Amino acid sequence: AQSVTQLGSHVSVSEGALVLLRCNYSSSVPPYLFWYVQYPNQGLQLLLKYTTGATLVKGINGFEAEFKKSETSFHLTKPSAHMSDAAEYFCAVSPSPGSSNTGKLIFGQGTTLQVKP
Amino acid sequence: DAGITQSPRHKVTETGTPVTLRCHQTENHRYMYWYRQDPGHGLRLIHYSYGVKDTDKGEVSDGYSVSRSKTEDFLLTLESATSSQTSVYFCAISESAPSGRYFFGPGTRLTVL
Repeated sequence: AQSVTQLGSHVSVSEGALVLLRCNYSSSVPPYLFWYVQYPNQGLQLLLKYTTGATLVKGINGFEAEFKKSETSFHLTKPSAHMSDAAEYFCAVSPSPGSSNTGKLIFGQGTTLQVKP
Repeated sequence: DAGITQSPRHKVTETGTPVTLRCHQTENHRYMYWYRQDPGHGLRLIHYSYGVKDTDKGEVSDGYSVSRSKTEDFLLTLESATSSQTSVYFCAISESAPSGRYFFGPGTRLTVL
C-alpha cells in the first residue's frame, strides 16, 4: 500500500530564509505527487503537482518541488520565506494510471510552517 | 474557485445520534471524496465515489456510510455518532482521477459530545 511521510511536524524559519519541507513516499511505481497548503480555518489549496515530464515542478507563491525517483522524495522548497507562508502543508500521492485506486489521494501527516520576523 | 459547498459548516451533536453531512458540487465532476482531518494524521479517506451510485470504502470507513444519487451530491452519514468522530470533514472533487486537479470544499467541523 502507498504511504506518505512528512519529516517534521513543525518547521520554523526566519523571514527571508530558505523553506524546505520534506516528503517521502512508498510506492511500487512512481505515483502522482501533490503539495497542498491549508491556511487557518480554510480548506486545502493546491500548490503544485507532479504527474509526468520535468521533475522540477514550479507552483504558486514561489514554491517548487523536485521529484527524485531514486530517493522516493518530493521535497517542497521556497528560496525566501514570507510571513504569509505560515500555514500547514500537506504532501499527497495518488496512483499513476494502471493501478486500481481510482484516484484516491493519500496524505502525509502535515507540516506546520512557522515564519519568524 | 470550483463550485463545491459543504453543509452544515459547523455541527454539535450528542453521542448516539445520526448525522448527515452534505457535499454539493456544480462542476459536474465524476469523482467525489470524503476525508476527515485530525491533528497528527493529516487527511484520511473515509469513502469515495466514482459515479452515481458507485461508491467504495477508504481507509477509515468504519461507522460511516455514503450515498450518491445525483452527480452533484455526495452525502456522508454517521449512523450513530461517537466522540471519536469529532473531526473536521472535507469533501473533494476531481474531474479525471488520478491526474486531474482535486478541489476541496471549505470543511465541516463536527463535535460529538
